[in-house]
Amino acid sequence: SQKIEQNSEALNIQEGKTATLTCNYTNYSPAYLQWYRQDPGRGPVFLLLIRENEKEKRKERLKVTFDTTLKQSLFHITASQPADSATYLCAPGAQAGTALIFGKGTTLSVSS
Amino acid sequence: GAGVSQSPSNKVTEKGKDVELRCDPISGHTALYWYRQRLGQGLEFLIYFQGNSAPDKSGLPSDRFSAERTGESVSTLTIQRTQQEDSAVYLCASSLAPGDSGNTIYFGEGSWLTVV
Repeated sequence: SQKIEQNSEALNIQEGKTATLTCNYTNYSPAYLQWYRQDPGRGPVFLLLIRENEKEKRKERLKVTFDTTLKQSLFHITASQPADSATYLCAPGAQAGTALIFGKGTTLSVSS
Repeated sequence: GAGVSQSPSNKVTEKGKDVELRCDPISGHTALYWYRQRLGQGLEFLIYFQGNSAPDKSGLPSDRFSAERTGESVSTLTIQRTQQEDSAVYLCASSLAPGDSGNTIYFGEGSWLTVV
């Protein structure tokens, strides 16, 4: 069955450092992969989408890579800030017309 | 409204009662999703509607759970004979018709259900 693993449940880093979050998937051949941010008590919010033919995508301090050979996506936040503290979810997109399934998420805490 | 709207935002119900949760998706969004999130846990897929296609009900945990959608608008998630294990936030989301290139999913703020 399809499986999504996010490297760790919690990641603690210092302000200014780069945070790297990992998303691994198995039994999937996603055409794209999305990353979302969820704050406590709120619904997830879309951050970035990367397609299978794209190696890397950037948006401000965010960078996402997508390696279909390793079946892995990496999500980087550079120059991290306490406001980046949240849970980050990955969601590999499968065939058109199917539901999006999310990983359990990694909770990032950035300390000042 | 501009976003996905869910009601009620909070619901406390007695064990054994039925509850209905409502979702108003973004206008023009043909895809609608329901997810469940227990406290401190990840998103659990429940059901997915896409246009006039048969819904994907593969995530519904038991036959006490059902959902309907009227055309491409409002959806209702019904939980019958609620159990304490049903306590969670139920998140609704909508998107344009999903394609191979993917479309952003927009979430509501959720309906927090507590079964006592």
